[in-house]
Amino acid sequence: DAGVTQSPTHLIKTRGQQVTLRCSPKSGHDTVSWYQQALGQGPQFIFQYYEEEERQRGNFPDRFSGHQFPNYSSELNVNALLLGDSALYLCASSFVRGVSEAFFGQGTRLTVV
Amino acid sequence: AQSVTQLGSHVSVSEGALVLLRCNYSSSVPPYLFWYVQYPNQGLQLLLKYTTGATLVKGINGFEAEFKKSETSFHLTKPSAHMSDAAEYFCAVFADKAAGNKLTFGGGTRVLVKP
Repeated sequence: DAGVTQSPTHLIKTRGQQVTLRCSPKSGHDTVSWYQQALGQGPQFIFQYYEEEERQRGNFPDRFSGHQFPNYSSELNVNALLLGDSALYLCASSFVRGVSEAFFGQGTRLTVV
Repeated sequence: AQSVTQLGSHVSVSEGALVLLRCNYSSSVPPYLFWYVQYPNQGLQLLLKYTTGATLVKGINGFEAEFKKSETSFHLTKPSAHMSDAAEYFCAVFADKAAGNKLTFGGGTRVLVKP
């Protein structure tokens, strides 16, 4: 079992650009959540996808959008990048039913310059 | 809405000494509580979780935590620190069962282990 995989591991973008981050969930999981972790802080919930729809959203602007594919993998898109978007972006997968622990990927380190 | 407070952003312990990391939560419904560990440049790994039942929960790597409803706390302990325990630790609460597995994290506590 490969667990949760994210790509790329690192990337550098310029202010105003757009970025797409990718996540493949743990085998058997049907729900993908995205978190932003700024340096020195705890992860902050961005949004969650199940059945290819956004189920819940945190306090993030519309510049942050996502998608879930039929194979449960997911993308996080950020438009009009700001310096403040520099962070570690974590993807977590889980089952929608019941309360199970969320399994996290290694993250994508985004640097906006 | 739920929230998590971790007391102490940094903790320094000697190898072999007790590790105690404090976590207090706020939740309007019975919470599910988690502790995660994060090593440098890595994602989060689950240490242990409390859902229902026994309030003393044992996890991996010798860690355990006790849920105390009256104190709204879920402190993490390990009797004897090892050098490999140097990492950042996050307490998280999941309380909105109807809305899926959204986690609210504390700010984290970085543990330094001195030889």
